[in-house]
Amino acid sequence: KAGVTQTPRYLIKTRGQQVTLSCSPISGHRSVSWYQQTPGQGLQFLFEYFSETQRNKGNFPGRFSGRQFSNSRSEMNVSTLELGDSALYLCASSVSPGAEAFFGQGTRLTVV
Amino acid sequence: AQSVTQLGSHVSVSEGALVLLRCNYSSSVPPYLFWYVQYPNQGLQLLLKYTTGATLVKGINGFEAEFKKSETSFHLTKPSAHMSDAAEYFCAVSLGGGADGLTFGKGTHLIIQP
Repeated sequence: KAGVTQTPRYLIKTRGQQVTLSCSPISGHRSVSWYQQTPGQGLQFLFEYFSETQRNKGNFPGRFSGRQFSNSRSEMNVSTLELGDSALYLCASSVSPGAEAFFGQGTRLTVV
Repeated sequence: AQSVTQLGSHVSVSEGALVLLRCNYSSSVPPYLFWYVQYPNQGLQLLLKYTTGATLVKGINGFEAEFKKSETSFHLTKPSAHMSDAAEYFCAVSLGGGADGLTFGKGTHLIIQP
């Protein structure tokens, strides 16, 4: 059974640009969550999607957005990138909200 | 709202010695508790979880943790450390049902001395 797949693994963008990250959950999992990991702030919850609906969102500005498709795949978008957005972005999938979460390897975003 | 405090950003133990990583939580409702491990440039792997029932939870790779409600703690232990245990360990709490996602501690870097 394939795990959670995140693409791309590494990304370099310039300030002011926007970026889209992709996450394919484990087959049969309908819940997808996104987290940002930085050395200073640690792991922070971004948002969670279930059945194509955003269930909840962490304390991040509106530049951070996401969506989930009918096949449960999810994308997150960050617009008007700032240097502080440089981080490892982790996606996790679970059968349903609150169930055991399985993480992908992450996308390392560097903003220059 | 919930929070997690991991005591000690770095813990160093000798190979073969006991591993003890401390985690205290704060939650307004009965929590679900988790320990995750992260190796360099990798995602998070679930070691073990507590939801309800037995308070001593056994996980993978010989790790276990005990939920102590009176102490609001969920410390992670392993009787005998192995070099391959060197990694970053995160304690996390959720309210169950996925509300607000997982809240993580700052992490503890486990160093194994030969």
